[in-house]
Amino acid sequence: RKEVEQDPGPFNVPEGATVAFNCTYSNSASQSFFWYRQDCRKEPKLLMSVYSSGNEDGRFTAQLNRASQYISLLIRDSKLSDSATYLCVVNNNNDMRFGAGTRLTVKP
Amino acid sequence: NAGVTQTPKFQVLKTGQSMTLQCAQDMNHEYMSWYRQDPGMGLRLIHYSVGAGITDQGEVPNGYNVSRSTTEDFPLRLLSAAPSQTSVYFCASRSSGTGNYGYTFGSGTRLTVV
Repeated sequence: RKEVEQDPGPFNVPEGATVAFNCTYSNSASQSFFWYRQDCRKEPKLLMSVYSSGNEDGRFTAQLNRASQYISLLIRDSKLSDSATYLCVVNNNNDMRFGAGTRLTVKP
Repeated sequence: NAGVTQTPKFQVLKTGQSMTLQCAQDMNHEYMSWYRQDPGMGLRLIHYSVGAGITDQGEVPNGYNVSRSTTEDFPLRLLSAAPSQTSVYFCASRSSGTGNYGYTFGSGTRLTVV
């Protein structure tokens, strides 16, 4: 079993749609959690950290459920520029593990 | 402030050749890591370092060596290149301070082993 698992998608949504990505992790001792965004043939870029209380950054909301070992990312009012691959990341003692990513395409 | 700089951007090696991928950061980050990214597999951790003189193995360390003689530099050495090492390699760094710090990545090295 992979340490971090994500639905690979692809998710194809119209502009303005709300889309949710899910991620599960296997190591219950993991300490910190992140969502990254990666554009085609580019490096991953940090989108947001994920906190147990849930956190929001504009149109993006991240949630963490430690009991279920589950992380989510919600994107509201999708823009064309949100098209990318979204990577779930789990950190345990400086050993950061990445999910394989969920591909999102937002269409006009 | 250049962030994380990787060189070269592209490289073609013959099987059995050795080479070093360079990585430097100017953010005074203590933590640095090397990842490889293959289609459908996401990023896999090769080696990481929590400070100068300290390195540790990640998920896929075989065939690679690292050293960390300074805070700024974290080179990755391929000892004897194999076609299975064809991949995109990313170096990353992050702060060790308290807080939820994610990695900043370099722009990657695309390596082909023939």
